[in-house]
Amino acid sequence: GMPVEQNPPALSLYEGADSGLRCNFSTTMKSVQWFQQNHRGRLITLFYLAQGTKENGRLKSTFNSKERYSTLHIKDAQLEDSGTYFCAADSGGSNYKLTFGKGTLLTVTP
Amino acid sequence: GGIITQTPKFLIGQEGQKLTLKCQQNFNHDTMYWYRQDSGKGLRLIYYSITENDLQKGDLSEGYDASREKKSSFSLTVTSAQKNEMAVFLCASSKNSDYTFGSGTRLLVI
Repeated sequence: GMPVEQNPPALSLYEGADSGLRCNFSTTMKSVQWFQQNHRGRLITLFYLAQGTKENGRLKSTFNSKERYSTLHIKDAQLEDSGTYFCAADSGGSNYKLTFGKGTLLTVTP
Repeated sequence: GGIITQTPKFLIGQEGQKLTLKCQQNFNHDTMYWYRQDSGKGLRLIYYSITENDLQKGDLSEGYDASREKKSSFSLTVTSAQKNEMAVFLCASSKNSDYTFGSGTRLLVI
């Protein structure tokens, strides 16, 4: 299967709602990053995780290398959270090379 | 702070044409990458380079050439543009896990 499987492909939320995105990995990954792609097309790094959980404001991400998954949880969704979210994982080795999921298109509406 | 700049922002080419995309970064990052983004397919790695004059093929290198003339710049050439091709090409640079993307070059082949 795909090295990085990301779900859901699309997600619609009302303002104030909570939800989560998930990436499953076909092999053991060394680290994961989560990006948000804004309406101008630029990818912005949200999190880098080698293990465990990190929080930043209304966002929280978890990476479990052994269980081969990572999650991104969005709390109290706001209109500006709309965009496409990508997880990307590094399988290790001498070069830092990321394999991306297909993305989740998040639409937040009033 | 630094910046990563891609030129041009928009590129319209003709079938069979050789097209070159440029990327410059002033982070002094060692590694640079070219990704292709197609709708619904996430980002796929075309080429990457771990230092000046180094080139490494990604998953999608066929039909492309790349050149890392100096540490700060990484160019990508579409060797023969395919009719009706439409994609976004994203450049990135990294030092370890610190990953920064450019805002992309949007290609349309007519």
